[in-house]
Amino acid sequence: NAGVMQNPRHLVRRRGQEARLRCSPMKGHSHVYWYRQLPEEGLKFMVYLQKENIIDESGMPKERFSAEFPKEGPSILRIQQVVRGDSAAYFCASSPAGQNIQYFGAGTRLSVL
Amino acid sequence: SQQGEEDPQALSIQEGENATMNCSYKTSINNLQWYRQNSGRGLVHLILIRSNEREKHSGRLRVTLDTSKKSSSLLITASRAADTASYFCATDANDMRFGAGTRLTVKP
Repeated sequence: NAGVMQNPRHLVRRRGQEARLRCSPMKGHSHVYWYRQLPEEGLKFMVYLQKENIIDESGMPKERFSAEFPKEGPSILRIQQVVRGDSAAYFCASSPAGQNIQYFGAGTRLSVL
Repeated sequence: SQQGEEDPQALSIQEGENATMNCSYKTSINNLQWYRQNSGRGLVHLILIRSNEREKHSGRLRVTLDTSKKSSSLLITASRAADTASYFCATDANDMRFGAGTRLTVKP
């Protein structure tokens, strides 16, 4: 059973471009969480999704950021018109229904030039 | 948003010493979890303690939970250099939010 897979591991974008971060949860997991982490800081919750539903997006910036978890395929975190302040590590975690334990991916490090 | 808050923010000890980290939270919970993050990597689940448990052990880890004080502690005994990492707590309230963590450095 493969773990949570995030890709790409590293992503470089210029200001104004779009960034798409992918997360494939562990097999059988229907819950996905996205977090952002700046260097030397803790995790900041962004969004919690179940298949085809956004459960809690209270941590997501209101503009430029969106997330989806379709019935088929990975969860996508999309950042439009990236700015330098978006540079961070973005982690995805998944959990099965009815269980709180989260299993984390290795993260995607976004660098905005 | 309500989440676990760890303290101290940073802790530096010598190999072989014990390390104690604390976590406080604000709401009623069903369980509390501790995670570890090695530099540049994703979090790894360490241990879960339920609200009806007061203490739990896993290898060199000992976790306590005091629901009356809404606090938990993580004790790592006989620490090793490989224990150097950041440690986070999270509760099942509010979809598992994480605090800023405790950065533990174990010097060889």
